[in-house]
Amino acid sequence: SQQGEEDPQALSIQEGENATMNCSYKTSINNLQWYRQNSGRGLVHLILIRSNEREKHSGRLRVTLDTSKKSSSLLITASRAADTASYFCATDAEDSSYKLIFGSGTRLLVRP
Amino acid sequence: EAGVAQSPRYKIIEKRQSVAFWCNPISGHATLYWYQQILGQGPKLLIQFQNNGVVDDSQLPKDRFSAERLKGVDSTLKIQPAKLEDSAVYLCASSLRLAGAGNEQFFGPGTRLTVL
Repeated sequence: SQQGEEDPQALSIQEGENATMNCSYKTSINNLQWYRQNSGRGLVHLILIRSNEREKHSGRLRVTLDTSKKSSSLLITASRAADTASYFCATDAEDSSYKLIFGSGTRLLVRP
Repeated sequence: EAGVAQSPRYKIIEKRQSVAFWCNPISGHATLYWYQQILGQGPKLLIQFQNNGVVDDSQLPKDRFSAERLKGVDSTLKIQPAKLEDSAVYLCASSLRLAGAGNEQFFGPGTRLTVL
C-alpha cells in the first residue's frame, strides 16, 4: 500500500537554483525519512524528521513537516549537477510493524 | 565500516526458472529488509526480519517467494518459479533497529533481475 506520494514526479532545474519536492501521506506517522537514489551510490538516507518536529536542516537540505496537512517538503539549496537523482519520502506504516513505506519518488535533473 | 553486500549484481533467467539472492548486512544490524523495486517506482517492502524472526511479510508473494535469515546475520531471497513481472531490482537493507521506529536504513547495491 502506498503511504507517501511525491510531487512533482519530475523536476528539471539549472545548477545553482533551489529544488523543492513535496510528499503527502495518508495516515498519522511517527517519523518521515527522505532518501536519494542515483546510479552511482544506490539508495542513501538523507534526513529523518519526527512527528513532533516542524523543520530540520542538514547542509544544503531543509525538510519541513506539517502533520495537520499530512505533508512534508524537501528543499535542496544551490543545487549541483551531482544532486541529479530520484528522491523518495518514506513513512512508517500505521500498523505496529515499524516498517517503512516508500513513495514513488521525484526525479530531479540538475542541468550544468 | 563495510556496507550491505549483495550478490549477484545481475541475473537473467527464463520464466519458470528459480533464482536466489544473497545479502550480508552491516555487522551488528538486527533488522534486515528485502525490497522489490520495479523501474520507475519506489521500493516495495517484501519482508522484514528482526534478528532471525519475521516481523512483516505481508507483501511477499508466498506462493513463489521465500526468504530466510537462519542465524540472524545474512539472508537469502528465493523466487521459484519466476514470472515475467518479477523483473526488477531486489534491494537488501539493514538497520540497527526497526526503521519505522526512526532508524536509518542502509541499502546494498541491489540485484537486477531480468526474467525472459
